Amino acid sequence: DAKTTQPNSMESNEEEPVHLPCNHSTISGTDYIHWYRQLPSQGPEYVIHGLTSNVNNRMASLAIAEDRKSSTLILHRATLRDAAVYYCILRERNYGGSQGNLIFGKGTKLSVKP
Amino acid sequence: GAGVSQSPRYKVTKRGQDVALRCDPISGHVSLYWYRQALGQGPEFLTYFNYEAQQDKSGLPNDRFSAERPEGSISTLTIQRTEQRDSAMYRCASSLGGAAQGDTQYFGPGTRLTVL
Repeated sequence: DAKTTQPNSMESNEEEPVHLPCNHSTISGTDYIHWYRQLPSQGPEYVIHGLTSNVNNRMASLAIAEDRKSSTLILHRATLRDAAVYYCILRERNYGGSQGNLIFGKGTKLSVKP
Repeated sequence: GAGVSQSPRYKVTKRGQDVALRCDPISGHVSLYWYRQALGQGPEFLTYFNYEAQQDKSGLPNDRFSAERPEGSISTLTIQRTEQRDSAMYRCASSLGGAAQGDTQYFGPGTRLTVL
């Protein structure tokens, strides 16, 4: 799987938007971009994923660069409960079945200040 | 609905003992994954199953580690002759599998293993 690069940590103020960047310059045309997050003392949880177009769901938005070499996870209004480690993960598109394991890097530790 | 459950939540054992960690996936989920997570690190893949078939065990660190999922549902990760370096959080995840585009993985609360 292609690798991703994320900042080790970021800080945000409560109620403000947060933009979490991820670089994946070696992404292949069949790789999906997934984001998971891990709250303190919990298991990872799915946030969002996309291929080429920007994506929105109830948790966040995902903005994908036109060349797909980078992406940004956007939390529109950070809350204290969004403090977590955010992982950007590439997964190869697989029509035949399970897409196999996730490869977690170090992720970005997001701190949210009240 | 019920999520992924793992038992025990905490396990303390002495070096040299065998341990068995259990994972109960979400009902109907085809795929089941085991990960290990050291403090301050992201989860590290160990092995995964589709139904009862072990698809990939390349992440198991050595032959003391084994896993099974005999009926395609509950899985057990067994560590024989435990060593202190085996101390970690062991996490299980499950997914629908199949051709689901996102194949989202749902994680359990983990088993914290401490080897004395």
